[in-house]
Amino acid sequence: GIQVEQSPPDLILQEGANSTLRCNFSDSVNNLQWFHQNPWGQLINLFYIPSGTKQNGRLSATTVATERYSLLYISSSQTTDSGVYFCAVAGGTSYGKLTFGQGTILTVHP
Amino acid sequence: DSGVTQTPKHLITATGQRVTLRCSPRSGDLSVYWYQQSLDQGLQFLIQYYNGEERAKGNILERFSAQQFPDLHSELNLSSLELGDSALYFCASSVRSEGTSGRTDTQYFGPGTRLTVL
Repeated sequence: GIQVEQSPPDLILQEGANSTLRCNFSDSVNNLQWFHQNPWGQLINLFYIPSGTKQNGRLSATTVATERYSLLYISSSQTTDSGVYFCAVAGGTSYGKLTFGQGTILTVHP
Repeated sequence: DSGVTQTPKHLITATGQRVTLRCSPRSGDLSVYWYQQSLDQGLQFLIQYYNGEERAKGNILERFSAQQFPDLHSELNLSSLELGDSALYFCASSVRSEGTSGRTDTQYFGPGTRLTVL
């Protein structure tokens, strides 16, 4: 099956800093989503981005499908950005079955 | 709020018991997915239903089963529970299974059911 690798595994920032999270995947995809899991365990949709670039406030994402990677940018980070960021992909005949990466644990200090 | 609801929020039970987790998808969504999040395995796909029919299966144990009812809500049944089944179980929904241009739809996740097996 498709493999998903996220980096870095951990990231510690001061409030106001910018960061880039990376997601590499091993095959062509027909779905790529970025999620934020908050401290209460809830998985929050950030982006549906199998290709191209999207922006939503301080967050933006870019997927280069031909090179099999996606980037999530967080600008002017806030303490509420802390949590785990997951990249998940579906590919081939997976009928939407999402394969998740191991996540990036982000901690933003005030 | 994603529009996907799951009950109960928390469940504590003993080994050997059977539990049922319930999921109501977003209004209009035909596809329901179940995922398990555990410390050692991470987030894993279990099973998918589309308009009442099983569509795809992941690494779902034989002790686990699921179904999607005519009103599109879904239930995940876990039996002969073991300590290792303790996990956060998510349900997600999407409009369809496959979208246009070969893309699959955005999946929206419910708040999860935290299962603790003692």
